[in-house]
Amino acid sequence: QVQLVQSGAEMKKPGSSVKVSCKASGGTFSSYAISWVRQAPGQGLEWMGRIIPIFGIANYAQKFQGRVTITADKSTSTAYMELSSLRSEDTAVYYCARTVEMSTNDAFDIWGQGTMVTVSS
Amino acid sequence: DIQMTQSPSSLSASVGDRVTITCRASQSISRYLNWYQQKPGKAPKFLIYAASSLQSGVPSRFSGSGSGTDFTLTISSLQPEDFATYYCQQSYSTPYTFGQGTKLEIK
Repeated sequence: QVQLVQSGAEMKKPGSSVKVSCKASGGTFSSYAISWVRQAPGQGLEWMGRIIPIFGIANYAQKFQGRVTITADKSTSTAYMELSSLRSEDTAVYYCARTVEMSTNDAFDIWGQGTMVTVSS
Repeated sequence: DIQMTQSPSSLSASVGDRVTITCRASQSISRYLNWYQQKPGKAPKFLIYAASSLQSGVPSRFSGSGSGTDFTLTISSLQPEDFATYYCQQSYSTPYTFGQGTKLEIK
């Protein structure tokens, strides 16, 4: 069974960048897309973008365009999400999630454990 | 972007109750609708896809219905482990968007 294991919590200063990793184990990595979803404290879920590792093609929510970069390393079965120009509003738990097609419908079937990113001066 | 609106935002119920959560899309999304359950401090868990198909391993007391703009998630007989927050999510078009969540609490 595929598991997604994310890197540890981060404390960052405003204006800096953060890079979160998501390593897949126990299954095929490249065949599926990996999405990144964030959740601010006490708030709902927000999709940031996704990558299909086998193609290396990423697409992003317009809200994050220009600030987020999602990449994948097939050799290590690891996806990355880098967010730049951090501000306090970016304080959130960041999740990676395997994105599969089920009845032509994309769904997030397996999730990482989450990485808390705190932005504070 | 497609807006997803859930109602109610919170709900109190007892073990054994039947509960229904509604999700409305700002435009037609056919059946491109998924449901997730999230418990405090945990990642969401995938429950239902394509509006009404149960993910493998999810108890049959969970069911989903709807198409177009209006969808429902029903739990036929609440169990203690079902008290959590539920989110709908559309996959009709990117950016994929979620409802604001419905918190299901014990009465």
